[in-house]
Amino acid sequence: SQTIHQWPATLVQPVGSPLSLECTVEGTSNPNLYWYRQAAGRGLQLLFYSVGIGQISSEVPQNLSASRPQDRQFILSSKKLLLSDSGFYLCAGGVSGNTIYFGEGSWLTVV
Amino acid sequence: GENVEQHPSTLSVQEGDSAVIKCTYSDSASNYFPWYKQELGKRPQLIIDIRSNVGEKKDQRIAVTLNKTAKHFSLHITETQPEDSAVYFCASASGNTPLVFGKGTRLSVIA
Repeated sequence: SQTIHQWPATLVQPVGSPLSLECTVEGTSNPNLYWYRQAAGRGLQLLFYSVGIGQISSEVPQNLSASRPQDRQFILSSKKLLLSDSGFYLCAGGVSGNTIYFGEGSWLTVV
Repeated sequence: GENVEQHPSTLSVQEGDSAVIKCTYSDSASNYFPWYKQELGKRPQLIIDIRSNVGEKKDQRIAVTLNKTAKHFSLHITETQPEDSAVYFCASASGNTPLVFGKGTRLSVIA
C-alpha cells in the first residue's frame, strides 16, 4: 500500500528566511502529488499538484513554489517567508480514481 | 471550476445519537466523492468514499448517500461515540482533476 512521508514535522522560521518541505512516496509509481495548506481551524487549500516529473500546476499565486525532481519526491519551497505563510502543510498522493492519502503534515510557524 | 458547500460547520450530538453532514457540488461531471476525518493536530484520513455509479455505501456505523440529480451527498454516522469527535471534510472530483474540499464540519459527541 502507499505511504506518504513528509518532513520536517515542525519548524519555526523567521520572516524572510527560506523554506524547504520534502515529501516522498513509497509503495507506488507515477503518483499524482499534492501540497495543501491548512490555516488554524480552517479548510484545506490546494497549493500545487503534479502528475509527473517536472510537471507542476499552481492553484494559488503566492511566494511559494514546488518542484518534482523525481517520480516519488515533491518539494515545497520559498525564498522568503511571510507571516501569512504560517500553517499546517500537508503533502498528499494518489495513483488512480482520485483517491488520495495524506502525509503526517508539517507545522510551520513564521515569526 | 468545482465548488463544494458543506453544512453544518459545527455539529454537537449526544453519544449514541446519529450525525448527518451534507455537501453540495456544482460540477455535474464530478464522479468521485470521498469523506475525510481529521482529529486535532493530525492528518485527514479517508473514512469512506462513493462513486457516481452507486447511490449509497455503508461501512459499519458510517454511510454515505449520493443524489446525482440534486448534486448533493451526505455522511451519516450512527450510534456516535466520543472518538467520532473530529473535523469531517467532504470532497469531489471528476476524471483526474484534484479533489475540491468543503470547508469542514466540526463534530462534537457529548458523553
